[in-house]
Amino acid sequence: EAQVTQNPRYLITVTGKKLTVTCSQNMNHEYMSWYRQDPGLGLRQIYYSMNVEVTDKGDVPEGYKVSRKEKRNFPLILESPSPNQTSLYFCASSLSIGSNQPQHFGDGTRLSIL
Amino acid sequence: EDKVVQSPLSLVVHEGDTVTLNCSYEVTNFRSLLWYKQEKKAPTFLFMLTSSGIEKKSGRLSSILDKKELSSILNITATQTGDSAIYLCEVGSWGKLQFGAGTQVVVTP
Repeated sequence: EAQVTQNPRYLITVTGKKLTVTCSQNMNHEYMSWYRQDPGLGLRQIYYSMNVEVTDKGDVPEGYKVSRKEKRNFPLILESPSPNQTSLYFCASSLSIGSNQPQHFGDGTRLSIL
Repeated sequence: EDKVVQSPLSLVVHEGDTVTLNCSYEVTNFRSLLWYKQEKKAPTFLFMLTSSGIEKKSGRLSSILDKKELSSILNITATQTGDSAIYLCEVGSWGKLQFGAGTQVVVTP
């Protein structure tokens, strides 16, 4: 089954403790992206990757890091989480940026930073 | 600065009503505009509109892209309670993708 898998689904942690949210897709998609969703603000793009070893900042990259060492994986790293990063996070992938294909989304990760 | 604005932010209708959702955009190098429906979890794809495909229809849902006005509308006719969701508009340029804040639709029986 074609899917985007995020882990963990829920996480409560404390300020300053490094965490990684994993994202994996099994559709051989080139384009992958991370979003955060906050009430009234919609989905805001954090980082995106157009292919392996190619990443770029979205609209809200501060406090986050990503890597794309393999095509299928695109982890989101919070080196020193802060309470303002409490949010619902979605990973998404699509065939390629020029293919005019919709994004496939993971089920989301709800992070609470205390 | 690129931006995508959806309106209204929320609305409540009765079953059977028609709703019209708006999405306007200012994006350099516009490539496509997509509509998604988000219920409890991840957004799911509804329509894609591009310069070569400005009108789409599927059952009770339809969408039009107005390239001159830089906007799109999503229509839902004969609404059902299952249409209750957040409707998201995504606008793509080369690389970056931008979403509006979404429109929350509540359909009451």
